Amino acid sequence: LAKTTQPISMDSYEGQEVNITCSHNNIATNDYITWYQQFPSQGPRFIIQGYKTKVTNEVASLFIPADRKSSTLSLPRVSLSDTAVYYCLVGGPNSGNTPLVFGKGTRLSVIA
Amino acid sequence: EPEVTQTPSHQVTQMGQEVILRCVPISNHLYFYWYRQILGQKVEFLVSFYNNEISEKSEIFDDQFSVERPDGSNFTLKIRSTKLEDSAMYFCASSLNEQYFGPGTRLTVT
Repeated sequence: LAKTTQPISMDSYEGQEVNITCSHNNIATNDYITWYQQFPSQGPRFIIQGYKTKVTNEVASLFIPADRKSSTLSLPRVSLSDTAVYYCLVGGPNSGNTPLVFGKGTRLSVIA
Repeated sequence: EPEVTQTPSHQVTQMGQEVILRCVPISNHLYFYWYRQILGQKVEFLVSFYNNEISEKSEIFDDQFSVERPDGSNFTLKIRSTKLEDSAMYFCASSLNEQYFGPGTRLTVT
């Protein structure tokens, strides 16, 4: 499994765009990049998944450069409710049928 | 939106007692998981279950743990003789494509 490295914590003010970068230098050809969000005392929640270039959904965007050795989760105009831990995971395309390996994640604190 | 549910939300038990944590996965999902998260630590995989049998388990999932899908809806995790170090949040997840997690059961062993 490719090892991932992400900042331990980040702070942001409400209304700003937040970009969380994850390094995965040993990503394999078949690996996808998936991001999960975890609020305190809740289970992780799938946010977005991508393979290359850019993916966007109603929650976030995921930017993946051509070499795929890193990825950036972008949260537009964060609010206090976006305060959570964000996890970057790298693995096979169908993350539904394989165990997920979580790192320590990035603790995002949004300040009013 | 369908969701994974777990009961109880909080369980307090004495060391050495058996506990059963219950989960109701999303109804058309095929893969089921248990994870745990000790306070302040990472979410750790325990076991996966598919087609009525364990498909994969971690080193944490020793002989004290067992899982069962007794009917078409419930998925349970049993810890036979709890230890202090079993105190954690236990998350059930189910999936077709991406994994959906339940809200967790906080297990406190005293």
